[in-house]
Amino acid sequence: QQQVKQSPQSLIVQKGGISIINCAYENTAFDYFPWYQQFPGKGPALLIAIRPDVSEKKEGRFTISFNKSAKQFSLHIMDSQPGDSATYFCAAMGGTYKYIFGTGTRLKVLA
Amino acid sequence: KAGVTQTPRYLIKTRGQQVTLSCSPISGHRSVSWYQQTPGQGLQFLFEYFSETQRNKGNFPGRFSGRQFSNSRSEMNVSTLELGDSALYLCASSFAPGPYEQYFGPGTRLTVT
Repeated sequence: QQQVKQSPQSLIVQKGGISIINCAYENTAFDYFPWYQQFPGKGPALLIAIRPDVSEKKEGRFTISFNKSAKQFSLHIMDSQPGDSATYFCAAMGGTYKYIFGTGTRLKVLA
Repeated sequence: KAGVTQTPRYLIKTRGQQVTLSCSPISGHRSVSWYQQTPGQGLQFLFEYFSETQRNKGNFPGRFSGRQFSNSRSEMNVSTLELGDSALYLCASSFAPGPYEQYFGPGTRLTVT
């Protein structure tokens, strides 16, 4: 119940395309869902986060879609650029106030 | 505003030794969390400190411990190192425990030989 399942494990997208990464959770106590971007040799950087009282949040080219009934949320990267090539992690927090991370998606954007 | 800093950035230790890693949070942040990141297990929560008290603990053996000082700086210690402890150890700070934005440091890469 404490897991967050992330898919796909890896993703290749053409420059200008849309990258979509999905996460699913079981624990209904989760109430905060951030996404992190990590480049090799660096720590994860907070990209965007959402709370379950909204279904969508957009910041620049990054959008989180949240489906509370399905217990799923996804990250959409519009107009993907080679500089977006990184590993992306979803996470969830709630109840015990521990962050639970997904297993990560390695994104490669082809020039 | 300066980000989260971690020292040292790289460490090589031998099995059986112990190691201490340090983390300085963002100014004004009072909560510090530690994570272990490995290719096989991903990002795993170790523990969280707030106001010098451990608030949460992950599923790691007692060889992993930590503490927080009055200035919010934190240290984690791993005793009797095992080969499997080789990992990137990440520290993250936030304003307080709970659903607040969490900011990560660059990590300490620990290699156990």
